[in-house]
Amino acid sequence: SQTIHQWPATLVQPVGSPLSLECTVEGTSNPNLYWYRQAAGRGLQLLFYSVGIGQISSEVPQNLSASRPQDRQFILSSKKLLLSDSGFYLCAWSEGFYQPQHFGDGTRLSIL
Amino acid sequence: EDQVTQSPEALRLQEGESSSLNCSYTVSGLRGLFWYRQDPGKGPEFLFTLYSAGEEKEKERLKATLTKKESFLHITAPKPEDSATYLCAVQAVSETGNQFYFGTGTSLTVIP
Repeated sequence: SQTIHQWPATLVQPVGSPLSLECTVEGTSNPNLYWYRQAAGRGLQLLFYSVGIGQISSEVPQNLSASRPQDRQFILSSKKLLLSDSGFYLCAWSEGFYQPQHFGDGTRLSIL
Repeated sequence: EDQVTQSPEALRLQEGESSSLNCSYTVSGLRGLFWYRQDPGKGPEFLFTLYSAGEEKEKERLKATLTKKESFLHITAPKPEDSATYLCAVQAVSETGNQFYFGTGTSLTVIP
């Protein structure tokens, strides 16, 4: 069966520090991969998605970037965090577009 | 402009008291409507996919239906373990490509 791993579960970072969140999927090949941010009282906002290695689509202009160095690995990064980057970050995978997305347990990021 | 609107924002039910959650959408080019359940501090868990008006899906006490402008999640005789936030999401195709929208959810509390 397929599993998705996301880490760390919780992260506290100072403003201006770098960020790297990692997500890996097991049990499937060539999945679509997604990064979302969930703010309190707001719906999930799609940040990036990827249909293959090295292929990244950005949905909103922001201080973050994403990379997919391997088929089942998706990384969310920032060179300098802002206070507004705080939130709950979720990674997800699907077999293709218009298929259900399956989510990891998220990373709670707090910026001080 | 909100593409996906869920109502009510919060719902409290007595155990065994059936009700419905609503998800209305304004996107054109719908390619799929998805229901998820999210427990506090966790990632969303996939429940149902609906692809065309008139389609229905059922699982235990939950039943999802779809019309051209909205979807309903019917909960029959709910139990306390059904307490969670229920999220609705749509995927659509537009001139700019694939679109992904999540609603802000309905927080359901089932009282024993």
